[in-house]
Amino acid sequence: SQTIHQWPATLVQPVGSPLSLECTVEGTSNPNLYWYRQAAGRGLQLLFYSIGIDQISSEVPQNLSASRPQDRQFILSSKKLLLSDSGFYLCAWSATHLSSYNEQFFGPGTRLTVL
Amino acid sequence: AQSVTQLDSQVPVFEEAPVELRCNYSSSVSVYLFWYVQYPNQGLQLLLKYLSGSTLVKGINGFEAEFNKSQTSFHLRKPSVHISDTAEYFCAVGSFGNEKLTFGTGTRLTIIP
Repeated sequence: SQTIHQWPATLVQPVGSPLSLECTVEGTSNPNLYWYRQAAGRGLQLLFYSIGIDQISSEVPQNLSASRPQDRQFILSSKKLLLSDSGFYLCAWSATHLSSYNEQFFGPGTRLTVL
Repeated sequence: AQSVTQLDSQVPVFEEAPVELRCNYSSSVSVYLFWYVQYPNQGLQLLLKYLSGSTLVKGINGFEAEFNKSQTSFHLRKPSVHISDTAEYFCAVGSFGNEKLTFGTGTRLTIIP
């Protein structure tokens, strides 16, 4: 069966510090991968999605970036965190075959607090 | 382009009462529809999905939803809620060939003992 991991689970960082959040998927190959953010009391905001290695689309201009160094690894980074980067970050995957209907499976999330 | 509207941001319901969470969508193509549930400080979990066929879809935890094409709706229902149903519920729409899902803003369901 497929599983998705995110780490760390929680993170407290000062303004201006760098960020690296990691997401890995097991039990499938060539998945579509997604990064979402939930600000406090708000819905899901799609930040990045990737349909393959070196194929990453950015949905919202910001000081965050994403990379996919391996097929099942998706990393969210920032060189300098802002207070507004605080939130709950969710990684998700979907299968690439058309019969998957793009159902997405979510990781447990990372709670980021920027002080 | 697709969009999803969840008109109710918060829904308080007494325990053992029925509940309906509303979802309306807009799309120029045929859609797939999903309901996800999010418990506090957790990721999203799929409740149910409509892909094609029967318009009444049954999911986990006693929830069901009905796809209504003419009204472009996919409302979520449960005949009797429990304290454990307290969570945020998200409606989402997808379409063939589109790698992304469009999510609604969510409905927070609060169960009153």
